[in-house]
Amino acid sequence: LAKTTQPISMDSYEGQEVNITCSHNNIATNDYITWYQQFPSQGPRFIIQGYKTKVTNEVASLFIPADRKSSTLSLPRVSLSDTAVYYCLVGGLNTGFQKLVFGTGTRLLVSP
Amino acid sequence: DAMVIQNPRYQVTQFGKPVTLSCSQTLNHNVMYWYQQKSSQAPKLLFHYYDKDFNNEADTPDNFQSRRPNTSFCFLDIRSPGLGDAAMYLCATSRDQREGTDTQYFGPGTRLTVL
Repeated sequence: LAKTTQPISMDSYEGQEVNITCSHNNIATNDYITWYQQFPSQGPRFIIQGYKTKVTNEVASLFIPADRKSSTLSLPRVSLSDTAVYYCLVGGLNTGFQKLVFGTGTRLLVSP
Repeated sequence: DAMVIQNPRYQVTQFGKPVTLSCSQTLNHNVMYWYQQKSSQAPKLLFHYYDKDFNNEADTPDNFQSRRPNTSFCFLDIRSPGLGDAAMYLCATSRDQREGTDTQYFGPGTRLTVL
């Protein structure tokens, strides 16, 4: 499983765009990149997933360069409720199930 | 709404006293997972069920067992809880999908306190 590296913490203010970068130098050909969000005392929640280029949904955008050795989660105009830990995971299916290995995550603090 | 439910949300047990945590899902997913998350740490996979097939992670202590009597329910049994087992226990599910990747749906967790 590819190891991921991301900043331990980030600070932002309401209304700003936040970009969290994750490096995954040994990503395999069949690996996908997935981001989860976790609020205190809750289970992680899927945010976005991609394989290459750019993926956008109603919550975030995910930018993946051609070499796929890194990815950037972009949160547009964050609010206080976006304060959470964000995990970048890399992996694929293994005989029908997905093994997730969580890294340290990035603790995002959004201030007024 | 389809979801993953964990009961209880908070569990207090005594050192060495067996405890069972439960998880149920209405998503009809084939795969169910148990994670342990200690304070300020990332979730760590303990084991998972692929249908009825049990898959243990190599470093999961023998003290932790699991049962899945049917598709909807999965239990985590801690036979002799130690102080180091105090943590949030997360249940998750995913579909059986042979290509690409899949999303895991997590429950709210059960916070276990060991006295």
